[in-house]
Amino acid sequence: GAVVSQHPSRVICKSGTSVKIECRSLDFQATTMFWYRQFPKQSLMLMATSNEGSKATYEQGVEKDKFLINHASLTLSTLTVTSAHPEDSSFYICSVSGDSTDTQYFGPGTRLTVL
Amino acid sequence: KNEVEQSPQNLTAQEGEFITINCSYSVGISALHWLQQHPGGGIVSLFMLSSGKKKHGRLIATINIQEKHSSLHITASHPRDSAVYICAVEETSGSRLTFGEGTQLTVNP
Repeated sequence: GAVVSQHPSRVICKSGTSVKIECRSLDFQATTMFWYRQFPKQSLMLMATSNEGSKATYEQGVEKDKFLINHASLTLSTLTVTSAHPEDSSFYICSVSGDSTDTQYFGPGTRLTVL
Repeated sequence: KNEVEQSPQNLTAQEGEFITINCSYSVGISALHWLQQHPGGGIVSLFMLSSGKKKHGRLIATINIQEKHSSLHITASHPRDSAVYICAVEETSGSRLTFGEGTQLTVNP
């Protein structure tokens, strides 16, 4: 399977700042990348789906101007949380797949804490 | 009612016991995934299946498409199996995954 990394693994920031999270597919051409959010003791919730070179498709209730997703290459996608607030504190996980019907390989996640 | 329901929510077992986690879903699917989430949060994909049964080491996953039900079995459980096990379905309408709420498994030595 694919090896997926995320950076940083943990980040603490002040309210109002922006945070960028990277998701890299180390050995796999990831035509599709998914971003999930997981609040404590809850299941993963899909935030958005991005295809390389295209704009991301956001799930209902996810603000695209707040959660900026860039999928510029087959090995890198970034999620930028703009003007972060304490309620954005969560565990953010990316996954990659080769195409829309392939299995998904998950990154290790990034824990964001907004003070 | 959630589209994907898992049972039990919490499970405590003694080392060596046979463990079963169940997943029921209500939508049409093209595949079902079993995931393992470690205490630190990292997620590992254990199985993806669309029919029948798959085995990997001490783990066995089965699915019954007609009954919309899947089970994950762990034989000879070990404390290192302690984790959250998540069932996720891939709907036939696309690749989007819908997740169950997870089963917290604790295996005591």
